[in-house]
Amino acid sequence: AQKITQTQPGMFVQEKEAVTLDCTYDTSDPSYGLFWYKQPSSGEMIFLIYQGSYDQQNATEGRYSLNFQKARKSANLVISASQLGDSAMYFCAMRGPFPSKLTFGTGTRLQVTL
Amino acid sequence: DTAVSQTPKYLVTQMGNDKSIKCEQNLGHDTMYWYKQDSKKFLKIMFSYNNKELIINETVPNRFSPKSPDKAHLNLHINSLELGDSAVYFCASSRLTGDSQETQYFGPGTRLLVL
Repeated sequence: AQKITQTQPGMFVQEKEAVTLDCTYDTSDPSYGLFWYKQPSSGEMIFLIYQGSYDQQNATEGRYSLNFQKARKSANLVISASQLGDSAMYFCAMRGPFPSKLTFGTGTRLQVTL
Repeated sequence: DTAVSQTPKYLVTQMGNDKSIKCEQNLGHDTMYWYKQDSKKFLKIMFSYNNKELIINETVPNRFSPKSPDKAHLNLHINSLELGDSAVYFCASSRLTGDSQETQYFGPGTRLLVL
């Protein structure tokens, strides 16, 4: 069975600072994918970044990077130069092999302050 | 262009009623999903269809019945609605390959409130 743990229910960060949102996972599958989604107050789920279990390098997408430590089973999201618009819920998720459902963590609510 | 669309966006109804939520994707994906997000924001898979074939059926009351007329559409019908069905229901789609890295793209969600 797959499990995702997000231990930070809420985080605050000042505008222009970097912030790390924690995610640990557990799975017995050798092949899996790790994802981060953003859910602003408007409610939609926005895909941010993906990391494959066999990827050697950490994924980056603009201001988002994924700090993937396979031995520690962690996939932390780093947001650099935070902006007010980054205030949202952030979900870590894992997808295994077929039938490839996403298993989500409980989310972290990020608040960016002036 | 909306990639994954859902209708309606909001649904308020009485207990005991039957309602449907529709989902359509124009991404050319072959797999679609329904997720439920409860009041504590926890997201859980309900169903998945690949090329109109049911491939995921989690422990969901049989009052919930998905239907996929073609690979671009996945509808969710709910019979005899209960208060506990109040939630946000998300449709998602992806390509399904042997590789687990296909990203799932979500619709805007349908906010269901059962009174």
